[in-house]
Amino acid sequence: GDSVTQMEGPVTLSEEAFLTINCTYTATGYPSLFWYVQYPGEGLQLLLKATKADDKGSNKGFEATYRKETTSFHLEKGSVQVSDSAVYFCALLTQGGSEKLVFGKGTKLTVNP
Amino acid sequence: SQTIHQWPATLVQPVGSPLSLECTVEGTSNPNLYWYRQAAGRGLQLLFYSVGIGQISSEVPQNLSASRPQDRQFILSSKKLLLSDSGFYLCAWSVRARWWLDYTFGSGTRLTVV
Repeated sequence: GDSVTQMEGPVTLSEEAFLTINCTYTATGYPSLFWYVQYPGEGLQLLLKATKADDKGSNKGFEATYRKETTSFHLEKGSVQVSDSAVYFCALLTQGGSEKLVFGKGTKLTVNP
Repeated sequence: SQTIHQWPATLVQPVGSPLSLECTVEGTSNPNLYWYRQAAGRGLQLLFYSVGIGQISSEVPQNLSASRPQDRQFILSSKKLLLSDSGFYLCAWSVRARWWLDYTFGSGTRLTVV
């Protein structure tokens, strides 16, 4: 079945450091891909998405490119802030009528000042 | 506007007690509805989804059940809670727009079974 594998962490960085969180997927066809963020004590928020190969999703300084050839959707940010501390989830949307999201296990990011 | 309400935000229940978590959606019709669980140290797992009133699909065998008595209401239940039912429960809905699929999560319920 469809699955998502992401770097589990935890990841600890200093403010203004470069961030990469790796995500690869296994799926039938070409699913839409997402990054969700969960701030402490809160639910999930959509961070960015990409619907087809070579699409680049971006939001709040974060970027991820849909790479079909490597089945990857790595999350990057050039300069992280303390406020970026959260858990980040990579996900794919299964194709078909049920439209289920399949998530990776999440990566906890802590940014220190 | 489209919103999703989920309550309670936190819940502490003894082992063997019943459970009822409710989720309601506003501002949309005929949504797909979902219950996800995030257990400690684990990722998000889909528990149930529903494509219409009375239509429930279970993704994993477990001690929980779900019901959809109205188009915009989704309920997660248990007759007798287990310690392993502890976790963060998220309700979500999805509606397909013309070019895209809107997929929105509620704020979650943190359940601790003691």
